[in-house]
Amino acid sequence: DAMVIQNPRYQVTQFGKPVTLSCSQTLNHNVMYWYQQKSSQAPKLLFHYYDKDFNNEADTPDNFQSRRPNTSFCFLDIRSPGLGDAAMYLCATSRDSRGTDTQYFGPGTRLTVL
Amino acid sequence: DQQVKQNSPSLSVQEGRISILNCDYTNSMFDYFLWYKKYPAEGPTFLISISSIKDKNEDGRFTVFLNKSAKHLSLHIVPSQPGDSAVYFCAAVEDGGSEKLVFGKGTKLTVNP
Repeated sequence: DAMVIQNPRYQVTQFGKPVTLSCSQTLNHNVMYWYQQKSSQAPKLLFHYYDKDFNNEADTPDNFQSRRPNTSFCFLDIRSPGLGDAAMYLCATSRDSRGTDTQYFGPGTRLTVL
Repeated sequence: DQQVKQNSPSLSVQEGRISILNCDYTNSMFDYFLWYKKYPAEGPTFLISISSIKDKNEDGRFTVFLNKSAKHLSLHIVPSQPGDSAVYFCAAVEDGGSEKLVFGKGTKLTVNP
């Protein structure tokens, strides 16, 4: 029944140790988004894929990368996590990339950096 | 610099009464606005939206009002129910522009039985 699935729900990593977060969808949507939400802050868009086309936000650090091997899956790679990267990471999908298209969110992965 | 502001981190309301959640924005290019609701351990879910060509949109117990001149929108929930207890995010879009959602920080609503 779940439409946007994120694994793991909780991830603990060490400072500087690469980590990968996973998102999958059963909606067959064209667009997949990654948001970062720090404690008591607004979700902030990191990047999105429209099909295979990658769209990075200008202020997303180079430390954050993404891969979308197929329609269903999208990964967020953090190459060298710092303490400031501890946050909730939300994956979302939408049929099209228009802002008026409803985005469907996964439950998020909470990342802790030790 | 926050373009979408939800100045009340929390709101507590009695069951059956009206809940009013407020949102202000600074970017005059925003022309589509959304409210998302988030329960603990779940992702945000879309609740209701409004285009800038309207000043009101209603869906059951939920009504969103838009005041473009004041750059202000509000979400009214009438009557409030305990199941409405959640975090509510306001979001804005520049339709035809960047197309990306810009979120506020959210307001935690608690509806007391």
